[in-house]
Amino acid sequence: RKEVEQDPGPFNVPEGATVAFNCTYSNSASQSFFWYRQDCRKEPKLLMSVYSSGNEDGRFTAQLNRASQYISLLIRDSKLSDSATYLCVVNDNYGQNFVFGPGTRLSVLP
Amino acid sequence: DTGVSQNPRHKITKRGQNVTFRCDPISEHNRLYWYRQTLGQGPEFLTYFQNEAQLEKSRLLSDRFSAERPKGSFSTLEIQRTEQGDSAMYLCASSPSETLNTGELFFGEGSRLTVL
Repeated sequence: RKEVEQDPGPFNVPEGATVAFNCTYSNSASQSFFWYRQDCRKEPKLLMSVYSSGNEDGRFTAQLNRASQYISLLIRDSKLSDSATYLCVVNDNYGQNFVFGPGTRLSVLP
Repeated sequence: DTGVSQNPRHKITKRGQNVTFRCDPISEHNRLYWYRQTLGQGPEFLTYFQNEAQLEKSRLLSDRFSAERPKGSFSTLEIQRTEQGDSAMYLCASSPSETLNTGELFFGEGSRLTVL
């Protein structure tokens, strides 16, 4: 089993739609969690951290369920510019390493 | 430009040759990571440095791979006797120590390796 797994995608949604991505991780000792965004042929960039109580940044909402080892990202009112691959990232090995999931590709259509 | 710099950006080589990639991190960052990414996959951890010390190396990394970070500044990743399966994008990222909490790795644009 991979350390971090994500919805396989791709997700094709119309502008204005709400879309949710799921992620699960295998190491119960994982300390912190993040979502990264990677545009086509570009490097990954941090989108947001994921806190235990859940957190929101504009149209983006992240949630964490430690008991189920599950992380989610919700995008509301999606824009064309949201089209990208979304990578779930877990800080593992006593906080020394960042493990990336395979990513879920999102295409927002006009 | 004060971002992470990687070179060469593209490298095409024949199977069996050695290749070396260089990464220049953001100057005040003491952590440096190497990842490998293939099409349709997320970045796969290879190794990381805290200053000049190599603190962790992926168990998936064969002995053909070696990385150095002399003096805790730039880093090199060498692949000996390349194989076609080594074809990938090699990403370098740097961060300050506080990244353990913030999660922000600053990636370079990567070095794309094609092994013929």
